[in-house]
Amino acid sequence: ETGVTQTPRHLVMGMTNKKSLKCEQHLGHNAMYWYKQSAKKPLELMFVYSLEERVENNSVPSRFSPECPNSSHLFLHLHTLQPEDSALYLCASSPLLAGSPLYGYTFGSGTRLTVV
Amino acid sequence: RKEVEQDPGPFNVPEGATVAFNCTYSNSASQSFFWYRQDCRKEPKLLMSVYSSGNEDGRFTAQLNRASQYISLLIRDSKLSDSATYLCVVKGYTGNQFYFGTGTSLTVIP
Repeated sequence: ETGVTQTPRHLVMGMTNKKSLKCEQHLGHNAMYWYKQSAKKPLELMFVYSLEERVENNSVPSRFSPECPNSSHLFLHLHTLQPEDSALYLCASSPLLAGSPLYGYTFGSGTRLTVV
Repeated sequence: RKEVEQDPGPFNVPEGATVAFNCTYSNSASQSFFWYRQDCRKEPKLLMSVYSSGNEDGRFTAQLNRASQYISLLIRDSKLSDSATYLCVVKGYTGNQFYFGTGTSLTVIP
């Protein structure tokens, strides 16, 4: 069991649905991330939050909307998705990177999303 | 040009073999380097950080060559349980950005 918990593990949604992915970490980390992993592609960074403030947003379509209410929780709100958005969505956390250059991420188990 | 490039493989090796993976990165100012392991349909997990002087953890040895901008992972005496995808990860000089390679697939055959 990792220190980063994601729910749900699997999600099937229609293109008109609205759903949310949840991520929770109890590692005392101050940075949280959403990544998308599609088949045969590298992990794509979607959003970065550092101390609950969004610091990076990598040209992600507005149908993905992140929320970070506190340093332990991260959400990804989904609406009007497309079939090509089907992928594994991974949440990760890390210590604040200044002063911890050798620490990598701790990933959650991911949510496998299928858009039909 | 991709930030991080890896040979996707697959590498199919017999048990007990030694196998090496390389990874190149494009930004010479990159600060930190890691190897992650990802099992099928699971999340990536940190295998080891890569230090400038090279480092070893049991059967695994990681090397960094800053001049040529590549890192390597050597696995000795391969076990069946080593079968996984190995991801090369590079942290940029600024910001919170980690760059991932596409991963190298390893299958260890009995």
